[in-house]
Amino acid sequence: EAQLVESGGGLVQPGGSQKLSCAASGFIFSGSAILWVRQASGKGLEWVGRIRSKRNNYATEYAASVKGRFTISRDDSENTAYLQMNSLKTEDTAIYYCTRGLELAFDIWGQGTVVTVSS
Amino acid sequence: QSALTQPPSASGSPGQSVTISCTGTSSDVGGYSYVSWYQQHPGKAPKLIIYEVSKRPSGVPDRFSGSKSGYTASLTVSGLQAEDEADYYCCSYAGSNNFVFGGGTKLTVL
Repeated sequence: EAQLVESGGGLVQPGGSQKLSCAASGFIFSGSAILWVRQASGKGLEWVGRIRSKRNNYATEYAASVKGRFTISRDDSENTAYLQMNSLKTEDTAIYYCTRGLELAFDIWGQGTVVTVSS
Repeated sequence: QSALTQPPSASGSPGQSVTISCTGTSSDVGGYSYVSWYQQHPGKAPKLIIYEVSKRPSGVPDRFSGSKSGYTASLTVSGLQAEDEADYYCCSYAGSNNFVFGGGTKLTVL
C-alpha cells in the first residue's frame, strides 16, 4: 500500500525553525514529485511547495507566503522528503501534509503533522 | 495568487444530486485543464476524487464527476449518500509552477 508518513511537528517560538520529515513507502519514491500542503485550524488548504524528481533536476517551487523561509529537500536513498521551516511566524501554525504529485494533482496524502508557532 | 472561489456550503437529500462550483481566473482555472477536487472528512487527510477536470482515480465512485466551463470548474455528486458529507476543495494549476486551492465547501447530506 502506498503511504506517506509525516513527523517532526511541535511547538516552536516565533522566529524559530522546525524541520518536518515525510517518509514514503509502497511506491517508487525517486520518480515522484513531493509537495507540502498546510491547513490552519478550521481553514482551507494552502499549497506550500514542491520538489520534483531527479529526472527534473530536483527542482523546487514555493508559495509566495513561504518563499525565502522554507526549503524542501529529499533523500531518495531514504525515501524521505523534508520541509525546513525558518523564521517561523504565528500564521505558519497549521497541520502540514506531504503529498505525492501526479499529473498536477495530489494523489497520496500523509496523515499530517501539527506545527504550532507561539511564544 | 488569490484563492479560488467556492460556496461555503451546499446540501442535498440522500439520492439527490448536488453541484459545487469553483471559480478562478484566466491565470488558473480558465488557463489550464489541471483542476482537481479533494474530499476531506473531519480530522482526516484530503482524498483526491477528480483530477484533470473530469478524470476519476481508481476506486472513486462514478457518482463523482467534474467539468469546466470558462473560469469555473464544477464537481457534481449524484445519488448523494450519507458518507458524502464532508468538505470539498478544488485546486488548479496556476502557471509558473504554482497551485491554488479553493476555500472549501461543506457538503451536508440532509
